[in-house]
Amino acid sequence: ETGVTQSPTHLIKTRGQQVTLRCSSQSGHNTVSWYQQALGQGPQFIFQYYREEENGRGNFPPRFSGLQFPNYSSELNVNALELDDSALYLCASSSQGGETQYFGPGTRLLVL
Amino acid sequence: EDQVTQSPEALRLQEGESSSLNCSYTVSGLRGLFWYRQDPGKGPEFLFTLYSAGEEKEKERLKATLTKKESFLHITAPKPEDSATYLCAVQGINKFYFGSGTKLNVKP
Repeated sequence: ETGVTQSPTHLIKTRGQQVTLRCSSQSGHNTVSWYQQALGQGPQFIFQYYREEENGRGNFPPRFSGLQFPNYSSELNVNALELDDSALYLCASSSQGGETQYFGPGTRLLVL
Repeated sequence: EDQVTQSPEALRLQEGESSSLNCSYTVSGLRGLFWYRQDPGKGPEFLFTLYSAGEEKEKERLKATLTKKESFLHITAPKPEDSATYLCAVQGINKFYFGSGTKLNVKP
């Protein structure tokens, strides 16, 4: 059973650019959630995707958007990057009817 | 306002010195409470899920309990390898809320 994987591991962008982060869910899982974790803070819920539809969203602006594909993998897109977007971005997957989420290793994004 | 608060922010223990971490929450429509362990620079590692008041779960030196307004993570006779940040998360209606974590340091 493969766990949650994310790519890339690290990324450096400049303010105003756009970025796409990728996540492959754990086998057997069809729900994916994305989180932003600033240094020294707990993860902040961005949104969740279930069956390719957004199924819940936290307090993040529309420039944070996502996709889920038929194989349940997912992308997080962030437009017009700001310095405060620098953080660890975490993806988590869970199975239908189960709320327990299993996290990937994260993508460290630095915005200069 | 839905929120999760963890205390203390940091905890230093001697090896073998038992203690408890607290997670209090005000979240509408609670569907589950989760404990995770996070090592520096890594993703959170799942520990426990609790669904209803009175429920308890155990794993090695860790025991999690749940009441209507808070959860405790009890650490019995900790070892240095238990040093990490422990995160509490609550699932509400289509949203998840994490606390800021308790950073545990166990000295040999």
